[in-house]
Amino acid sequence: AQKVTQAQTEISVVEKEDVTLDCVYETRDTTYYLFWYKQPPSGELVFLIRRNSFDEQNEISGRYSWNFQKSTSSFNFTITASQVVDSAVYFCALSDNNAGNMLTFGGGTRLMVKP
Amino acid sequence: DAGVIQSPRHEVTEMGQEVTLRCKPISGHNSLFWYRQTMMRGLELLIYFNNNVPIDDSGMPEDRFSAKMPNASFSTLKIQPSEPRDSAVYFCASRRWRSSGNDEQFFGPGTRLTVL
Repeated sequence: AQKVTQAQTEISVVEKEDVTLDCVYETRDTTYYLFWYKQPPSGELVFLIRRNSFDEQNEISGRYSWNFQKSTSSFNFTITASQVVDSAVYFCALSDNNAGNMLTFGGGTRLMVKP
Repeated sequence: DAGVIQSPRHEVTEMGQEVTLRCKPISGHNSLFWYRQTMMRGLELLIYFNNNVPIDDSGMPEDRFSAKMPNASFSTLKIQPSEPRDSAVYFCASRRWRSSGNDEQFFGPGTRLTVL
C-alpha cells in the first residue's frame, strides 16, 4: 500500500521568510513518481513538479526548490523569500506501478504568508 | 489548450435529486480521473479511465455513484439519489498515460456540490 504523509497541517510565516514543507511517503515499488500540487484560495489544483524515483537530483525553479531523498523517503519543498501570493494549500502525491499509476495524495499543508 | 473543463462550476440541489457532473479532458490525454475533496477526507480518487475504459472504481462510495466515459473527450459522474454527505468539491483530471512512464495529471477547476 502506498501512503503520503504531510505532518504539517498549517504553517504561518512572514513575507520574505524561507519555508520548507515536508513530505514523507511509503511505497513497496521500486519505480514510483512524486508530485507537488498547489491549491490557491481560488480552489484549482496547479501542478508544480514531478520527480521519478531514479532521479534524486534536487531541483530548483525560481524561488521553489525540491529535495528528494530516497534514504529517508522524503520529498520536501522549499519556498525561498516567500510572498503573500504563495499562500495556498500544498499537496504532495505519489504514484507507483503497484497502484496502477493512481495518485495518492497527502493531507496537504496550508501555508499562510503574512505581509 | 483550454485545459480540463468541468461543468457546472457550482451545483446546489436537494436531497434525493439526481446530479450529473461533466468533464472534458485535455485533447490528446487518454487517462481521466474523478476525485472528491472534503475537509474531513481530503482528496480521494473515485474512479479512473484509461482509453475510455474504467480501470479502478474502488473509490466510488456506493451504488448511488456512477461514472461513464462514452468517448475520449467527455465523461460524466452521476449521483442518484444525492445526499447531504455528498457535498464536496469534485475534480476531474486528465493525463497522457503511457505504460513506460507516468505523466502528471492536470486538474479541472472543480465542481462545488451542495446537497441540502
